[in-house]
Amino acid sequence: ETGVTQSPTHLIKTRGQQVTLRCSSQSGHNTVSWYQQALGQGPQFIFQYYREEENGRGNFPPRFSGLQFPNYSSELNVNALELDDSALYLCASSWGLAGSTDTQYFGPGTRLTVL
Amino acid sequence: KNEVEQSPQNLTAQEGEFITINCSYSVGISALHWLQQHPGGGIVSLFMLSSGKKKHGRLIATINIQEKHSSLHITASHPRDSAVYICAVRSGGNKLVFGAGTILRVKS
Repeated sequence: ETGVTQSPTHLIKTRGQQVTLRCSSQSGHNTVSWYQQALGQGPQFIFQYYREEENGRGNFPPRFSGLQFPNYSSELNVNALELDDSALYLCASSWGLAGSTDTQYFGPGTRLTVL
Repeated sequence: KNEVEQSPQNLTAQEGEFITINCSYSVGISALHWLQQHPGGGIVSLFMLSSGKKKHGRLIATINIQEKHSSLHITASHPRDSAVYICAVRSGGNKLVFGAGTILRVKS
């Protein structure tokens, strides 16, 4: 049990819709990262937040956005959903400053299906 | 070519066998992670390495920085070890770059 939770567990949306995924980090963890994992592939880095500010972004378009809140929760928002957005979305939290070698603790993921 | 390559992609072993999963990377790194992912998605961090070797129970992870290579070994494998094992590296900045994973199935 890592202490990182995500909601919802599963979600079905249609193309063009918007979605918000939520993550609750371990208490005291200042850094949260979001990853997209397509079926059969390794996770891909979307972005990272440190103390409520975006602190690095992978190769994802601006319709992927996020927020981090003072209570160690965070959100991933995806606008104008496309079929290829269907994936498992994982959040991971850690204590340290971005770029540190702290262990990341992963949540169980949200499985998003876009029809 | 991916920055992180794992081999083999799929591995089937008999219970009790010694298992090795390999990871090669092409970039300079500050740390390498071995992760375990069970069906359903949950990821557990097994090891974080920047040099040498670490051991936890039946799991051993090694890294050779000069050769840009790491191995994960499982001794006395058991069906409950069946999972996807993922290698990920942190290279400059703040993101992890993941390999595609090795699907391990241990048969009893």
